[in-house]
Amino acid sequence: NAGVTQTPKFRILKIGQSMTLQCAQDMNHNYMYWYRQDPGMGLKLIYYSVGAGITDKGEVPNGYNVSRSTTEDFPLRLELAAPSQTSVYFCASSTGTVVFTDTQYFGPGTRLTVL
Amino acid sequence: QKEVEQNSGPLSVPEGAIASLNCTYSDRVSQSFFWYRQYSGKSPELIMSIYSNGDKEDGRFTAQLNKASQYVSLLIRDSQPSDSATYLCAVNSRYGGSQGNLIFGKGTKLSVKP
Repeated sequence: NAGVTQTPKFRILKIGQSMTLQCAQDMNHNYMYWYRQDPGMGLKLIYYSVGAGITDKGEVPNGYNVSRSTTEDFPLRLELAAPSQTSVYFCASSTGTVVFTDTQYFGPGTRLTVL
Repeated sequence: QKEVEQNSGPLSVPEGAIASLNCTYSDRVSQSFFWYRQYSGKSPELIMSIYSNGDKEDGRFTAQLNKASQYVSLLIRDSQPSDSATYLCAVNSRYGGSQGNLIFGKGTKLSVKP
């Protein structure tokens, strides 16, 4: 199993550009998450999904959109990139069977800089 | 706003000593508590989870939970230089009704000196 994969690893965007961060998992997990981590800070939940076709906002959703058309994929869309979106983005997944005890498995992250 | 607080450190301990990492949380209904380790430039990885009051041991790691005091800690015995990392405390919360969502603290940076 590859686990949780993310592409790209690094990206530099200009202000106002758009991009999609890709996330895929091959563990047949129902739950998937997108976090951002700013320097010296913990992870903040952007969006999450409890299954294909179902998504919901987390703590910091503004400026982002997600979709979940399959169990495996959970892309994060940035529209009109702003310098405040410079961060490291982590995707994670969990089984969703006994939710509050689930282990979340993290992808390697995407380091995004907006200039 | 639900919060998880940790001392940011850095916490410096000599090799072989016990490292003690602390975390407090504000949401009284939280049920599950996690410690993640994050090496510089890497993604978080789970090292301990705890759900009941008391201690839980796994090798050199012991997690301690006191729900009445809303306090969770991680002890690392016989600390090794390879334990040098940032340790993130995470507590389950409910955004949109899902109990699986986690709130993370800012992390405590641990440095183990040879």
